[in-house]
Amino acid sequence: AQSVTQLDSQVPVFEEAPVELRCNYSSSVSVYLFWYVQYPNQGLQLLLKYLSGSTLVESINGFEAEFNKSQTSFHLRKPSVHISDTAEYFCAVIMNSGYSTLTFGKGTMLLVSP
Amino acid sequence: GAGVSQSPRYKVAKRGQDVALRCDPISGHVSLFWYQQALGQGPEFLTYFQNEAQLDKSGLPSDRFFAERPEGSVSTLKIQRTQQEDSAVYLCASSLDIASEQYFGPGTRLTVT
Repeated sequence: AQSVTQLDSQVPVFEEAPVELRCNYSSSVSVYLFWYVQYPNQGLQLLLKYLSGSTLVESINGFEAEFNKSQTSFHLRKPSVHISDTAEYFCAVIMNSGYSTLTFGKGTMLLVSP
Repeated sequence: GAGVSQSPRYKVAKRGQDVALRCDPISGHVSLFWYQQALGQGPEFLTYFQNEAQLDKSGLPSDRFFAERPEGSVSTLKIQRTQQEDSAVYLCASSLDIASEQYFGPGTRLTVT
C-alpha cells in the first residue's frame, strides 16, 4: 500500500513570489507520481507527472516538480506565481507495476494575492 | 472533444433517501473510476470498471453503495438510505486503460440533510 502526505493545507503567497508545495510519499514498491490541480468549480486536471527518466518534470504553465527517491519526495515549485494559479493542488501516487489505484494526498490550497 | 461529464452537479438529499449519480466517460475509454472527496480531503478511491466489469470495489464504504456500468460506457453510482457522512463530492474519471492518464469529471456535490 502507498500513502501521500501534503503537510501544508494552505499556502498563501503574493503574486510574482516563488512557491513550493511539499509532497512526500510512502511505498514499498516503485511508484509513478502526479500533481493534479483543481480550480474552483472545476474537475481535477493533471498538471505534471513523473513516470521514469529525468527526475525533473515540467508543466506548460511554469510549474516543475523533482522526484527525489532518497527523500521520497515530489515537491512542486514555481519561480513566480500568478493570481490565476490560485487553486487546490493534489499530489498522487500509483504503483508502477501490477494493478493499483491512485492514492491522493489531502491537498494544498495555493492562495495568490496581489 | 467532450470530456467526462457528471450529473447532477449538485444534489441535496434528506437522510434516508436513495440517490443516483451519473457519469458519462470519454468515448472509447475502457477504464472508469469513482472517487469520494470529503470536505478538506483528497479524493479516495471507491470502485473501478474495465468496460462493464467491476474489477475492484474495495473502496466502497458500505453495502449501501452500489455502482454499475451495464454497457461499458455510462456509469451510475447509487447510494441507498443516505446518511450525513455520505456528504461529499463524488468524482468520476475515465482512461483509455488502467495504466493511462485519468481524466476527471467536475464531480457531483452531495449534501445529505
